[in-house]
Order: sequence, then C-alpha cells, then structure tokens
Amino acid sequence: DAKTTQPPSMDCAEGRAANLPCNHSTISGNEYVYWYRQIHSQGPQYIIHGLKNNETNEMASLIITEDRKSSTLILPHATLRDTAVYYCIVRVARYGGSQGNLIFGKGTKLSVKP
Amino acid sequence: GAVVSQHPSWVICKSGTSVKIECRSLDFQATTMFWYRQFPKQSLMLMATSNEGSKATYEQGVEKDKFLINHASLTLSTLTVTSAHPEDSSFYICSASPPVVPGGQYFGPGTRLTVT
Repeated sequence: DAKTTQPPSMDCAEGRAANLPCNHSTISGNEYVYWYRQIHSQGPQYIIHGLKNNETNEMASLIITEDRKSSTLILPHATLRDTAVYYCIVRVARYGGSQGNLIFGKGTKLSVKP
Repeated sequence: GAVVSQHPSWVICKSGTSVKIECRSLDFQATTMFWYRQFPKQSLMLMATSNEGSKATYEQGVEKDKFLINHASLTLSTLTVTSAHPEDSSFYICSASPPVVPGGQYFGPGTRLTVT
C-alpha cells in the first residue's frame, strides 16, 4: 500500500466546510484512496473512497487531483459531531478480506469548534 | 448498510481471569475478520487475522496462546484474552470486509477492556 501524509491536526468552525488534505505521491495506478474517521472511543467509520474521479456521498466529497498524487476530503457543513481523527489510506480494491487489513497512520485530528 | 457488532462494549476483569469478546457481521458473511488493538492516543494496530474454518494468523509480537481467536462461522469471530494482566487493558476492535465496498472494511464499535 502506498504511503500517505496528513497534517496532524486541523480546526474548523461549526457550519463551515472542513477540507482535509492527504498526500500520496507514490500511489499506483490500481490503488484507491479511502477515508475513514474515528470518533473518540468508537470503532473507525468508513466515509468514502475513489480512484480518480471526484466522489460524493451523503457524508462527504472526495476530490482527487488529476495526477492522483493528492486528495482532499470535504465535509461541506461541519458539525461538532464531526470532531474525530480522519485517516487517509491508499490500497488496491478487492472484494472480501483477501488483500489484508487496513494500515492506519496517525491521521488528522479535526476539531470542530462552535 | 453493512454492520459489524461487538460484545461486550466494555468489560472490567481481575488479573488472571479470561475474557471473551465477540465480533459479528450482522448482514453479510465474512470469511476473514481482523482484530485490532488501540492504546490511548495511538493508532490502531493489527493483532491477528481471523479466518473462517482455519487457524488465525498473528502479527509479530502477539502471543497466540494468550489471545485465542476462533472463527467458527461466517458471521462470528471471538477473541479470548487469557490470564489477563493490567497491561492487556486496551480498546479492542474487530473489522470485516463486506461485499459492498471493494477494498474497504467495516469496523465494530470496539470493546474497552480494563484489567484490575
């Protein structure tokens, strides 16, 4: 799995958009970008994933640069409940657990403030 | 959507006793499940990979005789911490890969173990 780099922490005002960057300059052509978050004392939660096109779901949007060397997770209207550690993970996509476990880095601690 | 549950959500036990943690995939079958451990202010670290119908694969440094894993069905994996000690106190999390998200995993809510 390609290595990712994220800022250790970020602050965001409640109601504003939170933009979380991730660098993955060594990403391979068949590797996807996945985002997870972990709210304090809970298991990680899947947010979104993508290959090269921008993706949007009910939780967030994922913007991947044309060269795929970086991406941004966007929470359009951050709430206090979005305070969590956000993890960007790059890996090949296969169904089932055959490609093994997810490897978590240190992620970005997002603090949403009133 | 795919759901993974864990039971119990928290447990306190005395040193020397054993504790069993259950991980269930509620609406999908999982031939492989993963067990992670997380210490305070640290990231998740994989302990072992649980395979249905076969022996688990343990990460380096994880004692297989201390952390017993059983994956007896396609929806249930259990982790038993035997002869628990205070240093085993941690947050234990399981995960499984549903068919809806290729390459992704869904995680249980975690089990907080405190050994006194």
